[in-house]
Amino acid sequence: SQELEQSPQSLIVQEGKNLTINCTSSKTLYGLYWYKQKYGEGLIFLMMLQKGGEEKSHEKITAKLDEKKQQSSLHITASQPSHAGIYLCGAGPQGGSEKLVFGKGTKLTVNP
Amino acid sequence: GAVVSQHPSWVICKSGTSVKIECRSLDFQATTMFWYRQFPKQSLMLMATSNEGSKATYEQGVEKDKFLINHASLTLSTLTVTSAHPEDSSFYICSARVGAGETQYFGPGTRLLVL
Repeated sequence: SQELEQSPQSLIVQEGKNLTINCTSSKTLYGLYWYKQKYGEGLIFLMMLQKGGEEKSHEKITAKLDEKKQQSSLHITASQPSHAGIYLCGAGPQGGSEKLVFGKGTKLTVNP
Repeated sequence: GAVVSQHPSWVICKSGTSVKIECRSLDFQATTMFWYRQFPKQSLMLMATSNEGSKATYEQGVEKDKFLINHASLTLSTLTVTSAHPEDSSFYICSARVGAGETQYFGPGTRLLVL
């Protein structure tokens, strides 16, 4: 079965700093989803990547899927306290959104 | 758009009772809804997949007689935890999607505490 490993497990940054979160898959990624979760709440959809080398941006968050489609990164530019939360990557088999498998998450703290 | 709600957000119950959790897609019709469970400091684990009008498909290790899922309409799925025990205490999250290959949108979750 597919496993997703996220690094780092937690991250504390000063407001305004850039940061990167990585998600590495044990198998080829056909569809990679990034979500954000605030403690004790549901998941907010951020972005979905499918093609090798694909890159998407939304506001100050950029997600990339490497050419080999086994690793994705999430980059936040000029972080703000509102970016704090737990970032989860999820992957579905063969590109579909069936049976999403999730990483354990990266907890981000942004200090003002 | 793509809003999913859950009710209740919090429930505390005595051991042996049954608890029903509702998941609704508010502004779209969901052909498929998913139920996940999340234990503290762990990731989400898929429990079951339900398609409107058909029986749910449960993941390995999830007892279908304990976690009853009903997907009666394109906007509502319910999860009933029957004869709940303290080990069932967890955070239950549902998600919904329009169709195959579409993004899953998640509800805010329901925290269950069984005493």
